[in-house]
Amino acid sequence: KAGVTQTPRYLIKTRGQQVTLSCSPISGHRSVSWYQQTPGQGLQFLFEYFSETQRNKGNFPGRFSGRQFSNSRSEMNVSTLELGDSALYLCASSDTTTRFQYFGPGTRLTVT
Amino acid sequence: DQQVKQNSPSLSVQEGRISILNCDYTNSMFDYFLWYKKYPAEGPTFLISISSIKDKNEDGRFTVFLNKSAKHLSLHIVPSQPGDSAVYFCAAVSTGTASKLTFGTGTRLQVTL
Repeated sequence: KAGVTQTPRYLIKTRGQQVTLSCSPISGHRSVSWYQQTPGQGLQFLFEYFSETQRNKGNFPGRFSGRQFSNSRSEMNVSTLELGDSALYLCASSDTTTRFQYFGPGTRLTVT
Repeated sequence: DQQVKQNSPSLSVQEGRISILNCDYTNSMFDYFLWYKKYPAEGPTFLISISSIKDKNEDGRFTVFLNKSAKHLSLHIVPSQPGDSAVYFCAAVSTGTASKLTFGTGTRLQVTL
């Protein structure tokens, strides 16, 4: 099976802009979770989608949003970008046993 | 509030020796713990896990120990190999929020020749 794919891999945006990141889970996986990784903070949970519904949410402002499509692909959107949003955004997919999450390579977002 | 802590940001070990990575947690609701390994420019890959009903789980060169009373877990790698050089993340999850992994900040392991 193909692994989790994320596009784009690298992105440079300007403060105030908005950005959309995409994640395609492993075939058959219905759960997609998003994490933000910054130096010194580890991986912070953003949200999780299962069967097109947000099932879990972390402590991030409303500027961070997501959605999931019927084919389980997921998108994450960040509006009104701030310098502090510069990070590696990781997507993970899992089947019904959601403890075992398989991560994509991430999208490196740089906000200037 | 950092519920999962990895207090050592880095660790250097000689090839062939034992690497011990530590992790502490504060949330008593966590009932499953995982270790992930991450190389630069790649996503984390699952390494080994342990349920809170156990105190040890072994998989080849990797062993995870859990001390519930101390809210502490550790990952032992024996023998350490240069290919083990990576960042290791400890993660925890509670049954009530099964999809939400809480990660530590990571420990960078360097295995030297």
